[in-house]
Amino acid sequence: AQTVTQSQPEMSVQEAETVTLSCTYDTSESDYYLFWYKQPPSRQMILVIRQEAYKQQNATENRFSVNFQKAAKSFSLKISDSQLGDAAMYFCAYRSGENYGGATNKLIFGTGTLLAVQP
Amino acid sequence: EPEVTQTPSHQVTQMGQEVILRCVPISNHLYFYWYRQILGQKVEFLVSFYNNEISEKSEIFDDQFSVERPDGSNFTLKIRSTKLEDSAMYFCASSRDRTSSPLHFGNGTRLTVT
Repeated sequence: AQTVTQSQPEMSVQEAETVTLSCTYDTSESDYYLFWYKQPPSRQMILVIRQEAYKQQNATENRFSVNFQKAAKSFSLKISDSQLGDAAMYFCAYRSGENYGGATNKLIFGTGTLLAVQP
Repeated sequence: EPEVTQTPSHQVTQMGQEVILRCVPISNHLYFYWYRQILGQKVEFLVSFYNNEISEKSEIFDDQFSVERPDGSNFTLKIRSTKLEDSAMYFCASSRDRTSSPLHFGNGTRLTVT
């Protein structure tokens, strides 16, 4: 079974600085997708960024970028120029890209990293 | 941008009562999911639904739980006889396909069982 591990329960960053959140995963599959979701205090789940395992190029979305190391099964999120609105819980998630007949390939979440942004 | 909508945002119920949580997925999405998050804890998969039937369910999704798509737009989660430990945030999600597309989540329903 696939697992997702986030080893940093909490992180803190100064406004305008850069922070990196870690995520590792375990899988025997070759086709899969990785995601970062943000959960602010309002408890919404907001998609931040998506990475396809077969693409070597790291995904970027404005101030958010990932460092995807497939061999190491590592998928870290870098937030540049941190803003107060970035304060939230961040979840790393895995979705299989394999076709298992009737399966709908659920999203598997890590335990989350709570990011505080200091003014 | 289309979004997943969930109602109610907060539901308070007494232990042993039945509750129905409602969701309207994004209209062109075909795959539907329910997740649960007990306060401050991990987001846990409950069930996935496709083509009017359950595709996969977790060990949490026991006989007390059921899902239904009663019409072309709604997707509901029913808990037949609530327990204190069912208190959690329940998220509905939908996706366009079974693998590559991200799941789009609703804002959640906070269920409090007293």
